[in-house]
Amino acid sequence: EAQVTQNPRYLITVTGKKLTVTCSQNMNHEYMSWYRQDPGLGLRQIYYSMNVEVTDKGDVPEGYKVSRKEKRNFPLILESPSPNQTSLYFCASSRGQSGTGELFFGEGSRLTVL
Amino acid sequence: GNSVTQMEGPVTLSEEAFLTINCTYTATGYPSLFWYVQYPGEGLQLLLKATKADDKGSNKGFEATYRKETTSFHLEKGSVQVSDSAVYFCALSAGAGNMLTFGGGTRLMVKP
Repeated sequence: EAQVTQNPRYLITVTGKKLTVTCSQNMNHEYMSWYRQDPGLGLRQIYYSMNVEVTDKGDVPEGYKVSRKEKRNFPLILESPSPNQTSLYFCASSRGQSGTGELFFGEGSRLTVL
Repeated sequence: GNSVTQMEGPVTLSEEAFLTINCTYTATGYPSLFWYVQYPGEGLQLLLKATKADDKGSNKGFEATYRKETTSFHLEKGSVQVSDSAVYFCALSAGAGNMLTFGGGTRLMVKP
């Protein structure tokens, strides 16, 4: 089954404790991206990657890091989480770079930073 | 920059009612336009899309027409069902490599 898998789905942590949210896709997609969803703000892009070893900032990259060492994986790293990073996070992937915008989303990771 | 504006929700309708969710956009160039749907507890799924002016996207009884003159992409359905209850996001793609700009989302609640 084609899917984007995120882990963990739910996490409560404390300020400053480094964490990683993993994302894996099994569709051999070149493009992967991370979004955060906050009430009334829709989805805002954090980082994206157009291929292995190619990453770029989205609209709200501050406080986040990513890496793309393999095509299927695109982890999101919070080196020193803060309460304003409490949010619902989505990983997404897409075939190619054609700009069709058809993204496949994971089920989301709800993060709470105390 | 690019932006998408949607009507604020929630929108509450009775089953079989007509649905319209308004969406307008601002973009440079010629964007592609999308509607995504998010069911409770799930990620977003593509509902429909249109890639050029006057195109009509349709799926599952939903329709939206790309109106360049009014920079709009309103979502419509003639007869909603309880199972349509979800959050609907309008989005556009006009940048490099699949970058999507989303609206704030509109929650639809359909009552039996």
